[in-house]
Amino acid sequence: GAVVSQHPSWVICKSGTSVKIECRSLDFQATTMFWYRQFPKQSLMLMATSNEGSKATYEQGVEKDKFLINHASLTLSTLTVTSAHPEDSSFYICSVRDSTDTQYFGPGTRLTVL
Amino acid sequence: QKEVEQNSGPLSVPEGAIASLNCTYSDRGSQSFFWYRQYSGKSPELIMSIYSNGDKEDGRFTAQLNKASQYVSLLIRDSQPSDSATYLCAVGSGGYQKVTFGTGTKLQVIP
Repeated sequence: GAVVSQHPSWVICKSGTSVKIECRSLDFQATTMFWYRQFPKQSLMLMATSNEGSKATYEQGVEKDKFLINHASLTLSTLTVTSAHPEDSSFYICSVRDSTDTQYFGPGTRLTVL
Repeated sequence: QKEVEQNSGPLSVPEGAIASLNCTYSDRGSQSFFWYRQYSGKSPELIMSIYSNGDKEDGRFTAQLNKASQYVSLLIRDSQPSDSATYLCAVGSGGYQKVTFGTGTKLQVIP
């Protein structure tokens, strides 16, 4: 299956700052990547679908101006959490999907906003 | 709205027993079905995929699909404490549509 990396694996930032998370598909050209968020002891929540070369598609209730997604190449998508607040503290996970609909997840990024 | 339902558990089984995890889905047009395992604090990892009715076996894992009943299950034979995790069922409709995840079933294997 596809190998996906994320950077950083964890980050701590102050309230009001912006944080960028990278998602890389190491061995697979991903026209579509997905960004999920998971709060402790809760289920995966799809935030947005990232499409290479075009605008991301956001799920209902996810603020596109707060969670900026850029998918500039077939191997890299970035999620920027702008003006982060403590309630944005969560586990952010990206995934890529192959032609069989199978999703392969990155290891996740744990964000803590102080 | 497409839904994927799982019992949240926890499902407790003794070591060496068979664990049976179940999932139902609402979209009759679904074509692809997946089971993921997620350890606490980690991201999901793919265990099995299944696309046609019947059973598919991979080591200690067997996925079962019944499209008429809109039901997919995962059997884990000879359960080990290391199998203790949350198991996510995911269903896709093909055509590059979104895959829908269930909320997961927590499995506890008791030594």
